[in-house]
Amino acid sequence: LAKTTQPISMDSYEGQEVNITCSHNNIATNDYITWYQQFPSQGPRFIIQGYKTKVTNEVASLFIPADRKSSTLSLPRVSLSDTAVYYCLVVAAGNKLTFGGGTRVLVKP
Amino acid sequence: GAVVSQHPSWVICKSGTSVKIECRSLDFQATTMFWYRQFPKQSLMLMATSNEGSKATYEQGVEKDKFLINHASLTLSTLTVTSAHPEDSSFYICSATPGLQETQYFGPGTRLLVL
Repeated sequence: LAKTTQPISMDSYEGQEVNITCSHNNIATNDYITWYQQFPSQGPRFIIQGYKTKVTNEVASLFIPADRKSSTLSLPRVSLSDTAVYYCLVVAAGNKLTFGGGTRVLVKP
Repeated sequence: GAVVSQHPSWVICKSGTSVKIECRSLDFQATTMFWYRQFPKQSLMLMATSNEGSKATYEQGVEKDKFLINHASLTLSTLTVTSAHPEDSSFYICSATPGLQETQYFGPGTRLLVL
C-alpha cells in the first residue's frame, strides 16, 4: 500500500482558495487517489477521486501530475464550514484504504 | 449519492457485556464492507474487511474473537464487540463499496463508551 504524506495543518480565510498537496511516491500503476473530508464525530465524506491529470466536481478539483507521485486538492473559496480534517488516500486493488494523519484545515473569518 | 447508515449512533454499556453495531448500505449493494475505529484526535484505523457470505479478514493486531463481524447480506454488516472493556471505548465507523475500485462510502459512526 502506498504511503501518503500531507501537511499536518493549514490555516486559511473565508473566500480564499485552499490547496493541499499530498505525496505518494510509491503509488502503483493501477492505484488511484481519493480524498475525504471529516468533521468531528462524523464519518469521512467522499470529496473527489482521480487517476491522472485533472478532475473537477462541484466542490473541489484534484490535480495529478504525469508522474502521479503527488496530488493536490483544491478547495475554491472556502467558508467557515470547510473547517475539517482532509485525508488523502491511495486506493489499491481490493479497495483497502490506509488513512494517514490527514490535514487539519482551519478557516478563519 | 450513496448512503451508509449505522445503528446505534452511540451506546453506553457495562464492562463485560457485548455490543452489536449495524452497518447498512441504503441505496446500493455492497460487495465489501470495512470496519474502522478512531480514537480522539487520531486517524481512522482499519480493523477488518468483510465480503458478503465469507469470513472477514482482520488486520494485524485486531482480535477476531473480540470483534465479531458478520456480513450476511449485500446491504448489512454487523460488528459485535464481545466482553467489552473500557479500552474498547472508541468511535467505530463502517464503510461500504459497490465493487472493486469503486468509491468507499462511510457511515456516520458509532460512539461506544464502556463503563
